[in-house]
Amino acid sequence: GAGVSQSPSNKVTEKGKDVELRCDPISGHTALYWYRQRLGQGLEFLIYFQGNSAPDKSGLPSDRFSAERTGESVSTLTIQRTQQEDSAVYLCASSLGLARDEQFFGPGTRLTVL
Amino acid sequence: QQQVKQSPQSLIVQKGGISIINCAYENTAFDYFPWYQQFPGKGPALLIAIRPDVSEKKEGRFTISFNKSAKQFSLHIMDSQPGDSATYFCAARVSGGYNKLIFGAGTRLAVHP
Repeated sequence: GAGVSQSPSNKVTEKGKDVELRCDPISGHTALYWYRQRLGQGLEFLIYFQGNSAPDKSGLPSDRFSAERTGESVSTLTIQRTQQEDSAVYLCASSLGLARDEQFFGPGTRLTVL
Repeated sequence: QQQVKQSPQSLIVQKGGISIINCAYENTAFDYFPWYQQFPGKGPALLIAIRPDVSEKKEGRFTISFNKSAKQFSLHIMDSQPGDSATYFCAARVSGGYNKLIFGAGTRLAVHP
């Protein structure tokens, strides 16, 4: 079956613009996670969803970042007034549920803020 | 503090050799320790994982060794192959939560023919 998909694969934007990143999880996966991967660094946890509820948003770097999820499907991560330090690869993962171990990752969206 | 420290940052191994990557943590509230493999342009993929009540787990050429008292765990890749060249991340899951993973900084492995 299809894996986690993300779009766009690459996004170049100007400082101060808003961007929306999209994630389509594996069908049937109720849990969805967003991570940020800066160049040469590990993955930084941003937020997770169980269904369309996001109980813990403490990983979001600032109030310019927000995320939402429609039911148990698509999620969008929005970054408002982008800054150069937002440049990174944004990865989405999904799992069958929060109690299930394995997270399946998408290929990521490479965001470059000029 | 929830941190996972990974070393080395990069590793070069000859084909057929053993690749060893180490991770250490401070917080004892972790209940699951996965290793992920990432190829350029791809998302990380689960390679092998271990729980803290087990000291070693082997799957094919990949072995995790876990030392609970030292708060350390390592990945051993036996008979390393050029196809193993990738970035490897260790991670630890916060227990009692929601499958939140804390990742190490990654190790870039190059296996030379």
